[in-house]
Amino acid sequence: NAGVTQTPKFQVLKTGQSMTLQCAQDMNHEYMSWYRQDPGMGLRLIHYSVGAGITDQGEVPNGYNVSRSTTEDFPLRLLSAAPSQTSVYFCASKKRRRGGYTFGSGTRLTVV
Amino acid sequence: AQTVTQSQPEMSVQEAETVTLSCTYDTSENNYYLFWYKQPPSRQMILVIRQEAYKQQNATENRFSVNFQKAAKSFSLKISDSQLGDTAMYFCAFLSRRYGGSQGNLIFGKGTKLSVKP
Repeated sequence: NAGVTQTPKFQVLKTGQSMTLQCAQDMNHEYMSWYRQDPGMGLRLIHYSVGAGITDQGEVPNGYNVSRSTTEDFPLRLLSAAPSQTSVYFCASKKRRRGGYTFGSGTRLTVV
Repeated sequence: AQTVTQSQPEMSVQEAETVTLSCTYDTSENNYYLFWYKQPPSRQMILVIRQEAYKQQNATENRFSVNFQKAAKSFSLKISDSQLGDTAMYFCAFLSRRYGGSQGNLIFGKGTKLSVKP
């Protein structure tokens, strides 16, 4: 049981480049979310999904896209990286009617 | 909209002593969960303790306990017999028990950085 797997763990991008942060879970969780963590800001919700084929925006969605074609995977795409997107990114998932979220180990992204 | 406030950006405690981290929240809902997460330097988010709002009894997990005051919308974390391994960032979080839409997402406070000194 791998839980929530995020890849890569570290990434450096140049301004304007695009990339995809991967998130996969093997627990058959309906809910999946992406958060970014910045110093002094806590974790802020970027996008979330309540099931395959259903996604919606969170608090800070600009510059990011998501899709949910399967229950297991929820990739986060940076379309044109900006220095303001330098952050630590967390993916999390849970069952619909259960309270606890399981977190991935995070991705530290630096945009130069 | 719900909000979570942690008013102590940083705290320190001597090893073996007790420390309390504060958290207040704002919601119009009656059924919800509250959580404390620990984030050590490894960056992993670790669930410390969970409280269900309909339960009057305060949750405890070994050295960790909470003081849940529903009317005051307060949810503090007490760490007893502090250990060096407790050094971490601690986040308070709110989760609605309504399912569907944006209400299924965690709302975090900004965190409290706890240092345990030998």
